[in-house]
Amino acid sequence: AQRVTQPEKLLSVFKGAPVELKCNYSYSGSPELFWYVQYSRQRLQLLLRHISRESIKGFTADLNKGETSFHLKKPFAQEEDSAMYYCALVGFQKLVFGTGTRLLVSP
Amino acid sequence: DGGITQSPKYLFRKEGQNVTLSCEQNLNHDAMYWYRQDPGQGLRLIYYSQIVNDFQKGDIAEGYSVSREKKESFPLTVTSAQKNPTAFYLCASSPREGGYTFGSGTRLTVV
Repeated sequence: AQRVTQPEKLLSVFKGAPVELKCNYSYSGSPELFWYVQYSRQRLQLLLRHISRESIKGFTADLNKGETSFHLKKPFAQEEDSAMYYCALVGFQKLVFGTGTRLLVSP
Repeated sequence: DGGITQSPKYLFRKEGQNVTLSCEQNLNHDAMYWYRQDPGQGLRLIYYSQIVNDFQKGDIAEGYSVSREKKESFPLTVTSAQKNPTAFYLCASSPREGGYTFGSGTRLTVV
């Protein structure tokens, strides 16, 4: 079975501080991993996917197969980064989400 | 303007009634999905369909039913058997090569 775990329900930081949102997964095959973001009153939208290895809005995430992790990082948080972040995994033809982490960036 | 449309945005249902949530996409995507979003529980998969006239149960299918008679449409029926139907429901679609597009959601409240 596939599973995604996000251990933190809420992460609160000050503007300019580094951010790391944790994500661990379990899956028997080769996973395809994503980070989705949902800003207040907006649709869920894709932030990044591990196969593209790109940086979006200053965020990066590296797949660590040894630790089965896909943590989301940003060196300097901005107030507009405040949102709900979901880690997700595609396996067995379906997309499964973690429980989400709410990031709150204070001025 | 391609996209995925969910309707209605808000829906109220009396206890014991069935209600159907609409999801339509004009992206020519093969696969469609229904998720339920609850605070503290993230998005949980209810049903998904990889192709017309075929669908599979997700993690929390009990009390729900779906149909996929057309590629563009994947309606979700919340039946009276669903013990706690009040939630936010999200529909998504994806092409075979991957990438998911989400609707804006329907908030269902049982009164």
